[in-house]
Amino acid sequence: DAGITQSPRHKVTETGTPVTLRCHQTENHRYMYWYRQDPGHGLRLIHYSYGVKDTDKGEVSDGYSVSRSKTEDFLLTLESATSSQTSVYFCAISVGDEQYFGPGTRLTVT
Amino acid sequence: GENVEQHPSTLSVQEGDSAVIKCTYSDSASNYFPWYKQELGKRPQLIIDIRSNVGEKKDQRIAVTLNKTAKHFSLHITETQPEDSAVYFCAASSSGGSNYKLTFGKGTLLTVNP
Repeated sequence: DAGITQSPRHKVTETGTPVTLRCHQTENHRYMYWYRQDPGHGLRLIHYSYGVKDTDKGEVSDGYSVSRSKTEDFLLTLESATSSQTSVYFCAISVGDEQYFGPGTRLTVT
Repeated sequence: GENVEQHPSTLSVQEGDSAVIKCTYSDSASNYFPWYKQELGKRPQLIIDIRSNVGEKKDQRIAVTLNKTAKHFSLHITETQPEDSAVYFCAASSSGGSNYKLTFGKGTLLTVNP
């Protein structure tokens, strides 16, 4: 499992509330990624990080922010959750070219 | 940016038959092409990958081929088994530099009927 954990694994929240998802890795990998997975869309990159405090946007970054203050933790924040952000969120790390995924977080925004 | 198209979106085969999933990509700079298998409720798992300096790669019953000129690559599964049933995703990346971003296809639901 490449030493990746995500928390929480499931969350239900209301529209307009802030939500933070956490990705934690134990093997000091430099690159970390956040994806969302929706039926019919595959996996789409939200944000990624290439080091502590170094982050950049992916293809679906609107409504999301990230932070990486420590190598092992990459946080994804929905400042004000909307129903369109109901999804399964996967964190990933790179080992060279290869990416390995965390177990995912199922987020429901009601 | 990169765009990856994947076909078919669903594929049903009989146990023992072969399955082929095809992907095309748009960015000629892409040089890394992984395939992931995702079982229901689980995380995507890397099953095989190919780099642009190689035309074909095999690992037991699965193989991947790459045609750089045509910008397409394919996953071949031979002697399919019910446990091969899953969603398969292709992806493309221009590795190196400041990131190893992957662009994914939309997935193929493979069903292997006993």
